[in-house]
Amino acid sequence: DIVMTQSPDSLAVSLGERATINCKSSQNVLYSSNNKNYLAWYQQKPGQPPKMLIYWASTRQSGVPDRFSGSGSGTDFTLTITSLQADDVAVYYCQQYYYNVLTFGQGTKVEIK
Amino acid sequence: QVQLQESGPGLVKPSETLSLTCAVSGYSISSGYYWGWIRQPPGKGLEWIGSIYHSGSTFYNPSLRSRVTISVDTSNYQFSLKLTSVTAADTAVYYCARHSGLSGGWNDAFNIWGQGTMITVSS
Repeated sequence: DIVMTQSPDSLAVSLGERATINCKSSQNVLYSSNNKNYLAWYQQKPGQPPKMLIYWASTRQSGVPDRFSGSGSGTDFTLTITSLQADDVAVYYCQQYYYNVLTFGQGTKVEIK
Repeated sequence: QVQLQESGPGLVKPSETLSLTCAVSGYSISSGYYWGWIRQPPGKGLEWIGSIYHSGSTFYNPSLRSRVTISVDTSNYQFSLKLTSVTAADTAVYYCARHSGLSGGWNDAFNIWGQGTMITVSS
């Protein structure tokens, strides 16, 4: 299976500051035929299901605030939250959908410092 | 809008079979998309269990394949999960979700999720 490794496991950021979460895939998730990275990011708040934020590594889902952005290609990806808001406290997961077994990262917990 | 709602027993005894149903509203399963099951043990991460197309084609996580069956009932707008020979390790919140359709195939992200149902395996 493709292993998705996120770092850090948790981080505390002051309100209004930037939060950066990394996700590394054990294998490439860039499909050369369409030049798309098969990588999504989710936000999960306590007691709620995950919510898709980003797909194709950098495309925001409709309705997602533009303070959320995704970047990276191949095996290394980043989710950035610029100007962290109290409502952004959650666990964030990356997921690859390139390979036959869909796999998620272990999650990164974002808290307010 | 499209909504998904899981239903299940809450408590299952070890070695028995877990059965869950996902009711879909606001969309006809027979119109397309892949539909999946994902689980999350308490305090842990997400594990994809398997997915199904409206035609009945299924795709399973190899780690669970020998124990999992996913089926679809398009006439009743629902799909189901059966997991046999459960142990305490199968205790988790079980989510049903719709694939996003981005990739055109079943290897896809999930953009619509149910609220999840907690399943505890205990005698």
